[in-house]
Amino acid sequence: EVQLVESGGGLVQPGGSLRLSCAASGFTSDKFWMGWVRQAPGKGLEWVANIKQDGSEKYYGDSVRGRFTISRDNAKNSLFLQMNSLGAEDTALYYCARSQYLRFDAFDLWGHGTMVTVSS
Amino acid sequence: EIVLTQSPGTLSLSPGERVTLSCRASQSVSSNYLAWYQHKPGQAPRRLMFGASIKATGVPDRFSGSGSGTDFTLTISRLEPEDFAVYYCQQYGSSITFGQGTRLEIK
Repeated sequence: EVQLVESGGGLVQPGGSLRLSCAASGFTSDKFWMGWVRQAPGKGLEWVANIKQDGSEKYYGDSVRGRFTISRDNAKNSLFLQMNSLGAEDTALYYCARSQYLRFDAFDLWGHGTMVTVSS
Repeated sequence: EIVLTQSPGTLSLSPGERVTLSCRASQSVSSNYLAWYQHKPGQAPRRLMFGASIKATGVPDRFSGSGSGTDFTLTISRLEPEDFAVYYCQQYGSSITFGQGTRLEIK
């Protein structure tokens, strides 16, 4: 089955760090751009970051640039999001998503998300 | 940054009705790089349309997308019970931004 499964979410204190993971199965992820999208409670979708097939290009949304780092391990069919200097505004459900062939593209496959709560 | 404004915020309709959702961009969307998603609680978002009017695989015929430049629409010709959800538009012509969503609820 073609799917994405996120993990690594949880409760973290303000100023803390967290690393999210996304495991891809049923397809070879190194053929696709991949990304992260988040949804704060009661809010809409917000794009977080994208990464190229070989990891050589990375793009970030304004609200996370300089604090978050996207990476991938194609040998393990996995995607990661290192989140530092977390604040309450980063509380959200984080989705891993498969993009297509452009650096900015529609997302054709999504995981179910992993929840990150930033609170003291 | 291209801001997408969706209207209306909430729609209350009955199964069988026709509905048109609007997505307006603050500036022209390059190459009509506009997608629509359906999102139900507890589920992963589902891509419905890309390139403004290209239907994703498996999407029923009752869904259609149109528009260009700054004005885009998603139309559902006859609502089925499973269509009640939140719908988002997304532009990917200049970075990526999403609209705030339209909630389609059963009347």
